[in-house]
Amino acid sequence: SQKIEQNSEALNIQEGKTATLTCNYTNYSPAYLQWYRQDPGRGPVFLLLIRENEKEKRKERLKVTFDTTLKQSLFHITASQPADSATYLCALAIRGTDKLIFGTGTRLQVFP
Amino acid sequence: EAGVVQSPRYKIIEKKQPVAFWCNPISGHNTLYWYLQNLGQGPELLIRYENEEAVDDSQLPKDRFSAERLKGVDSTLKIQPAELGDSAVYLCASSLDIDSRGAEQFFGPGTRLTVL
Repeated sequence: SQKIEQNSEALNIQEGKTATLTCNYTNYSPAYLQWYRQDPGRGPVFLLLIRENEKEKRKERLKVTFDTTLKQSLFHITASQPADSATYLCALAIRGTDKLIFGTGTRLQVFP
Repeated sequence: EAGVVQSPRYKIIEKKQPVAFWCNPISGHNTLYWYLQNLGQGPELLIRYENEEAVDDSQLPKDRFSAERLKGVDSTLKIQPAELGDSAVYLCASSLDIDSRGAEQFFGPGTRLTVL
């Protein structure tokens, strides 16, 4: 079966540390992958996009890697802050379909 | 610039009743999406519009769900009759142009539906 998996357990880290979130997929041929942030009671907000032929993307304190051999994307937040606390969703676009499939999300909690 | 607008924000109905959700996308965005999000899950696509044409409605339960985007701008999603299992958050999103591969999607705040 086709799946996009994110760690369902919350990730708790201390302020200033680097948070690393994982997104694994099976049996998809990806065109690109996006990461979104979702706060309680609000819709997801786009953060970053990485294409299948790209290994790494950076934006300020955010970094995304994409390994199509391992079928995995890693999302890093460096120098994390309590304001980074939210649920982070990965979304995979299937090549040739324009369809975005979302993972279940991982809740990040950054403690002062 | 105004974001994606959805109404109502919350809706409580009894089962077997009809319900409708409204969405106004960001001005100029040709592509509009309706998603369903259950608690602790990611959004699941129900239907995607390119202008007024529904180009992907494969996940829309057509026996009870319907949607329209008559003038290619705002859209309405309807459920009739609602069932207990329809309780969820219904999200609307829009993007500038699906052909610019990887266009980010802009989401509204969602409508939280509770079916009693």
